[in-house]
Amino acid sequence: QQPVQSPQAVILREGEDAVINCSSSKALYSVHWYRQKHGEAPVFLMILLKGGEQKGHDKISASFNEKKQQSSLYLTASQLSYSGTYFCGTGQHLSGNTPLVFGKGTRLSVIA
Amino acid sequence: GAVVSQHPSWVICKSGTSVKIECRSLDFQATTMFWYRQFPKQSLMLMATSNEGSKATYEQGVEKDKFLINHASLTLSTLTVTSAHPEDSSFYICSARDGQKHYGYTFGSGTRLTVV
Repeated sequence: QQPVQSPQAVILREGEDAVINCSSSKALYSVHWYRQKHGEAPVFLMILLKGGEQKGHDKISASFNEKKQQSSLYLTASQLSYSGTYFCGTGQHLSGNTPLVFGKGTRLSVIA
Repeated sequence: GAVVSQHPSWVICKSGTSVKIECRSLDFQATTMFWYRQFPKQSLMLMATSNEGSKATYEQGVEKDKFLINHASLTLSTLTVTSAHPEDSSFYICSARDGQKHYGYTFGSGTRLTVV
């Protein structure tokens, strides 16, 4: 089942923060976050595994609440380069043999 | 690490012809690869799971005779769109994961198919 992402779209000014949420009705083993720019393939941002992980890189971080089957992606002090569509992909097993199921995406636009 | 190469990047073909798209894992072996299709401003929809040495597993609603998948080696999967029609025009993306490492799934660069 497809995870639900919110919001569908958000517009930010440079330097503002944003949170993108991803929730699933099924128990999850992992949540994967990707950013896709127009006409390009999705680019991997980070993976969060079962166990209540939180992690970050630069000014992008994420958390995974496995009990609630939810993950949130935090973008702080946004930059123009953060613009794109963010997808969460959920996995029910760590095995590389199972595909990710993606949410519908959150379109983020950062303006000067 | 975990690089996936996809070719071609774009292709324009005439209705009724067939098109082959290749997906290669360059620095790891992938017993399983995944094929997605993405229409403009929509999410990535899984089409099929490609399994090395065995038949692909197709998602509901995806015609296996139209979208032929071959995974002949541990580093190569191909998707052939047979008898293509304009409604098959889309962005096709393959994905794989290096099972030896805790990386996310890596995507190929995608193939934009336009059927005229």
